[in-house]
Amino acid sequence: DGGITQSPKYLFRKEGQNVTLSCEQNLNHDAMYWYRQDPGQGLRLIYYSQIVNDFQKGDIAEGYSVSREKKESFPLTVTSAQKNPTAFYLCASSRGTGQYQVYGYTFGSGTRLTVV
Amino acid sequence: QQPVQSPQAVILREGEDAVINCSSSKALYSVHWYRQKHGEAPVFLMILLKGGEQKGHEKISASFNEKKQQSSLYLTASQLSYSGTYFCGTVSMEYGNKLVFGAGTILRVKS
Repeated sequence: DGGITQSPKYLFRKEGQNVTLSCEQNLNHDAMYWYRQDPGQGLRLIYYSQIVNDFQKGDIAEGYSVSREKKESFPLTVTSAQKNPTAFYLCASSRGTGQYQVYGYTFGSGTRLTVV
Repeated sequence: QQPVQSPQAVILREGEDAVINCSSSKALYSVHWYRQKHGEAPVFLMILLKGGEQKGHEKISASFNEKKQQSSLYLTASQLSYSGTYFCGTVSMEYGNKLVFGAGTILRVKS
């Protein structure tokens, strides 16, 4: 079955460390996204990519970095510059983007990151 | 600009109906609806495109009023499995054609 795989499910980061969250999809979707979710809040867009080797900042990109070297993969690095990284991170993908989007997003099961 | 959802939370008994509203200050291309169970990923319910259509998904349906920039999600004869947080997401040209999510509506169905 097609879907999105995020790993790890839980991640603990020490102060000053960079950590990378993995996101892989086998849906053949062009667009991929990273969202951050804090308790009791909605989803905020960190980065998105509509095509390989291209990505754009979302609303809260500071302290994060991404790459899109393959269509299937969109890893997110949480750098030491992100001062409050503890959150639930969701990766998503979609067929089509923006005003031409007629299908919904498919989400991975998420990575819960905690700073220790 | 984040769409505004109301109510923030609602508690129902099995079999009761509920309406969740989503409104935006921007002209919209489309509205998405998702449901998220605690600790899980959001699951896509439906998308409504510009044109004022109404859609249904089992006993869950939605409408989109393009002129008012509003959408409503209707849950009829609610079941325990409907419990979760419902998010609307909107796509608008003014916001770079990106999907922006509301803060969510917590729905709890009791037996």
